[in-house]
Amino acid sequence: DTGVSQNPRHKITKRGQNVTFRCDPISEHNRLYWYRQTLGQGPEFLTYFQNEAQLEKSRLLSDRFSAERPKGSFSTLEIQRTEQGDSAMYLCASSITMGFDPNEKLFFGSGTQLSVL
Amino acid sequence: GNSVTQMEGPVTLSEEAFLTINCTYTATGYPSLFWYVQYPGEGLQLLLKATKADDKGSNKGFEATYRKETTSFHLEKGSVQVSDSAVYFCALRVGGAGSYQLTFGKGTKLSVIP
Repeated sequence: DTGVSQNPRHKITKRGQNVTFRCDPISEHNRLYWYRQTLGQGPEFLTYFQNEAQLEKSRLLSDRFSAERPKGSFSTLEIQRTEQGDSAMYLCASSITMGFDPNEKLFFGSGTQLSVL
Repeated sequence: GNSVTQMEGPVTLSEEAFLTINCTYTATGYPSLFWYVQYPGEGLQLLLKATKADDKGSNKGFEATYRKETTSFHLEKGSVQVSDSAVYFCALRVGGAGSYQLTFGKGTKLSVIP
């Protein structure tokens, strides 16, 4: 168990560029979440996958954002035409669960810090 | 909607002092309540949880009791250590309609000085 791995740790980009982040969940974890955290705020939910199916998306996830989990293992989050307001820490979390489980335990990665200049 | 309000930090305490971090919530249904901790340079970790009213979650000397009547889940520890310095997040989840997202408070930064 190596934990949830996120790459890169830091990303600096210019406004208008596209960026892609990767998350490798804990092996055999079937649920994967993406959250965004801005300075001084708590994490905000973006989307989640059950295996390869994307089952919920937040209103925060504009059309410029897309997430995939093609084989139910790793996931990617792409932001197109980045804006300065996209600057944030992007967090990934995984769990092994089905349905709603009040005891679901999420394991978070260390995040990818995005800075849009 | 769902929301979590935490006391604002930063909080600075001397080692062995008593800690309370207040957390109140509003929820559209019956929530499960959580405290997460983020140590410097690390990812969020679940500290403790409670899934129904009057449950007490506890871990590493920290405790929090689910109080439905006051919609609160305050975090307490009797004697803090320097190693407890971190950011603490209160969170809730309300299941139903396939929504499993966590709603977090803004976080409270705790610094413990020797």
